[in-house]
Parts: sequence; structure tokens; C-alpha cells
Amino acid sequence: EPEVTQTPSHQVTQMGQEVILRCVPISNHLYFYWYRQILGQKVEFLVSFYNNEISEKSEIFDDQFSVERPDGSNFTLKIRSTKLEDSAMYFCASSEFSSGGWETQYFGPGTRLLVL
Amino acid sequence: AQKITQTQPGMFVQEKEAVTLDCTYDTSDPSYGLFWYKQPSSGEMIFLIYQGSYDQQNATEGRYSLNFQKARKSANLVISASQLGDSAMYFCAMREGGANDYKLSFGAGTTVTVRA
Repeated sequence: EPEVTQTPSHQVTQMGQEVILRCVPISNHLYFYWYRQILGQKVEFLVSFYNNEISEKSEIFDDQFSVERPDGSNFTLKIRSTKLEDSAMYFCASSEFSSGGWETQYFGPGTRLLVL
Repeated sequence: AQKITQTQPGMFVQEKEAVTLDCTYDTSDPSYGLFWYKQPSSGEMIFLIYQGSYDQQNATEGRYSLNFQKARKSANLVISASQLGDSAMYFCAMREGGANDYKLSFGAGTTVTVRA
């Protein structure tokens, strides 16, 4: 069964460093998302991406964050200058395109980011 | 205001018994979708079941069923014949019907522990 994959599974970085989290969405999916989950808290939406552009972003997704689809398979989240409060599990998700239905978002296994 | 409310932080259930996880939601949009995800201790988010606001029947998926009461704005998940592997955190999520609104809003989650 096709699945979303994410690398790395864990990343430790120093405050102020740049990190890139990578995702390979399900191959026939057209919508891509990033969410994060701070330890012990609920999952929060960061950004959605369709047709090579951001379709929606939350207030969390400030200028420190960017997303990119550098090729036909990868989808990346870059945090330009990490802060302690960026420590969280980051989930990538993808969904099919459907004009009228409710496409299920399938999640990757997550990248656990720790900022020291 | 919270879009998704899960009032049960933790529940215990005996193996082979059924358990109901509560979820209430808040939206003024007539068109929305409700989703349940399972998060085991390993951290990944696994899609379980989906219910659309216009669906006439309650959704079922194997041992999972959704008790959808639209007038009460509730979408409770029922897990029948609980197994030890059902021990996990369970999240209720909603996507509202705006044309450019793809994000899922999550509840705080309910931890289920299945006892042998």
C-alpha cells in the first residue's frame, strides 16, 4: 500500500541553525501539507500546497518557514533559523484531488525535531 | 473557540469490550468532513475513518464505527472488540467546506489503554 515517507526520523539541531525536513508524498496525490505536534499537545496545521504554490498557511507559518517541491517526488519544509519552541514532531501529509469529495489526508511517520 | 473538543483525556477498556470516544465539533459551515486518526506510541498518525456532513449513514470501517449526530454536532468513535494493539492516542479532526480551506483542525486527543 502506498504511503507517505519522511526523512530524517529524528533531527537534533542548535538554535539558529537551518533545518530541512523532507517528505515523499503518495505518488498520485496532488495536495501536500505540513503539520506539527509539540510534545503532549494537539496536532497543528502549518501549511498546504497545491500546484506548486501555497494554498493556505497558519499564523505559525511565519517568514522563518518555507516549503518547496524541488522535483516530482519530494516536498520539503525549511526552517531558516530554528528556535527552541520549534521543537516538535513534524508531519507531512498528502491527499488526492477531488472536485467534490472529502479527500483523506494520509500522514507520514513524522520527523521529531529537537532544537537545543 | 475550539473547533474540535475531545473531553476524555484518557480511558481504560477491557480487551474484547467496546469503547466510545467522544468528539464534538463547532462549525457554521453546512459542508464539512470529520476524521479520526490513531497515534500509537511510535508516533505515526494512522487514518481510521471518515464521515461527511451530508452522509446519510454512519460510517463504518471494520471494528471502527462513527456515531454521527449532526444536530448535536457530535461524531463519536466506537471501537468494538478492543484489542491490545488498540492502545494509542485517538484524534478527532474536521475539515470545513471552504474552497481554499484544506486544513484539518484537531482535537486534543484521547488516550486509550486496553487491559488484558
